[in-house]
Parts: sequence; structure tokens; C-alpha cells
Amino acid sequence: KNEVEQSPQNLTAQEGEFITINCSYSVGISALHWLQQHPGGGIVSLFMLSSGKKKHGRLIATINIQEKHSSLHITASHPRDSAVYICAVRRAEGKIIFGKGTRLHILP
Amino acid sequence: EAGVTQSPTHLIKTRGQQATLRCSPISGHTSVYWYQQALGLGLQFLLWYDEGEERNRGNFPPRFSGRQFPNYSSELNVNALELEDSALYLCASSLIQGFGGYTFGSGTRLTVV
Repeated sequence: KNEVEQSPQNLTAQEGEFITINCSYSVGISALHWLQQHPGGGIVSLFMLSSGKKKHGRLIATINIQEKHSSLHITASHPRDSAVYICAVRRAEGKIIFGKGTRLHILP
Repeated sequence: EAGVTQSPTHLIKTRGQQATLRCSPISGHTSVYWYQQALGLGLQFLLWYDEGEERNRGNFPPRFSGRQFPNYSSELNVNALELEDSALYLCASSLIQGFGGYTFGSGTRLTVV
């Protein structure tokens, strides 16, 4: 079993829909990151979380440390949100473990 | 402010050769991370350097090595290249040791033939 599991693997939605991507992990962590990778490989770091909730524009990320679970939400989704969203956890000693990513496709 | 810069953008090498990839972090960032993204696979953590020292490495053989220079730029060296080493190699930097958000470079696409 992978130490970081993301769901769903693939998600297609209509423009305007509310999107939720989930990340569960089984190891102790010092922080969790949400990354966005566009076609061609460019990666943007969206959030770093160690507790609670963060919001940036239409993006919201939450983490529940007790349940070892994080969610990334996108409100009023837009075709430009189409990308692979990757959850990554950082262990206390610095090792980083990545989820396999969620491929999001927003249809106009 | 310049972002994380990686060079070269593309690199083609023959099996058995050595490859050297370079990364310049954002000014003031002391931590540099290297990742491999092979075709069809997710991101894999390779190496973490901070303040000139290797802090941790992922599950890669010793022929993957690197260093961080006094100006915090970094090199990734891959010796005895194998076909399976063909991948996108991404570098990221962060401000605070191990805990800051990352800024990623655009990557070096290494092709081993």
C-alpha cells in the first residue's frame, strides 16, 4: 500500500463545478504540500499545510492531522484549472513522499 | 525576482555516460531539492541539500549524486547512465530549512539512448 494515496485518479468536470481532490497518508508528517503540474511539466507549489485550512483565490486546502487526510477544493472551476494535482508529504527527517497525482480536466 | 533556473533544458546522452544537471535556486533560498519524473511514473524524491550539505536522499542508487555550492546552486550528477534514467529532472528551492513552500524550476529533460 502506498504511503500517500490520492483520489480520484482522474476527474472530468464541467466548468463552474466545485472540485474536491483527496489525499490520505499513513506516515507521520511535518508538512503536506499540494502541487499543480501543467502539461509540459511545469510545477507550481499551491499550498503547504501543517494544520487547519488555507485559501488562495478559488483554491482551498484543508488538513486533518488526526485522520491523516487532506483535501484540495477548487470553487467555480475553469478550464485553465486542468492539470495534475499532486499531494506530497514531508517526513520529519526531510524525506518527501508523493502521491500519484489526480488528473483534472475541466470542460468548457 | 528570478525563479529557480535549471540547465540545460534538454540533454541527450549515451548509455554509460555521465550527465550533469544544474540548478540555481531563488536568491536567499538555502534548500535545494531534486526530483525525478520518469515517463508514466509520478514524482520521485531524489536529494535534498541545505547549507551545502546533503540532508536526505530518496531510494536511488549511489550513481545519483550531487552537491550544493556556497552560493546555494546545485548540481545533480548521474553516472553510468542507463536507459531507465530517461526522465524529467526537476529542481525546487525553499527558503526555510525543510519546511517552506517550494518553488520549482522548469526541469531538465534527460534522454538516454
